[in-house]
Amino acid sequence: EAEVAQSPRYKITEKSQAVAFWCDPISGHATLYWYRQILGQGPELLVQFQDESVVDDSQLPKDRFSAERLKGVDSTLKIQPAELGDSAMYLCASSFSGRFQETQYFGPGTRLLVL
Amino acid sequence: GQQLNQSPQSMFIQEGEDVSMNCTSSSIFNTWLWYKQDPGEGPVLLIALYKAGELTSNGRLTAQFGITRKDSFLNISASIPSDVGIYFCAGRAGANSKLTFGKGITLSVRP
Repeated sequence: EAEVAQSPRYKITEKSQAVAFWCDPISGHATLYWYRQILGQGPELLVQFQDESVVDDSQLPKDRFSAERLKGVDSTLKIQPAELGDSAMYLCASSFSGRFQETQYFGPGTRLLVL
Repeated sequence: GQQLNQSPQSMFIQEGEDVSMNCTSSSIFNTWLWYKQDPGEGPVLLIALYKAGELTSNGRLTAQFGITRKDSFLNISASIPSDVGIYFCAGRAGANSKLTFGKGITLSVRP
């Protein structure tokens, strides 16, 4: 069964350092999402891509966060510099376009700890 | 902004029992999704609902899209230990709207 791949699974860094997370969506999925999930909360959307274009980054803290999906397939989310409050699970999800666009399939996530 | 309410935060049941969860919204949604998340993993889609009044089953799980379009229900029958986890509801108001998640309900199943 096709799955969304993410790496690394865990990342520990010190504040002010740069971190990057990678996501490979399910093959054929045009839409890719990055979410942040704080412990005890549901996921919150950071950025949404349609192919290589950003369609929603309204919740992305652009002073320190950046995301790209250069070839419209895999994607990278970067934080520079990391802050203590960035400690969370970062989830990538993908979906088809069209009628079933609403169904999103999640990867296993990257758990980030900022010290 | 849109909010989804899930309560209680935690539920404790005995193995073999049925359990029901609901999710309510302050606004209308046209899509409801139910996910289960195990510790340290990403959410896994359980059931997707696209039409008001729709009732859909997936094994021992049954979910309904409320007629008012402001709520959804998930029922788990004959619970087993592997049902333990966090259950999230999620909704979308329109095709171009983002998915909004509830805070989740942590389910514990006593053997």
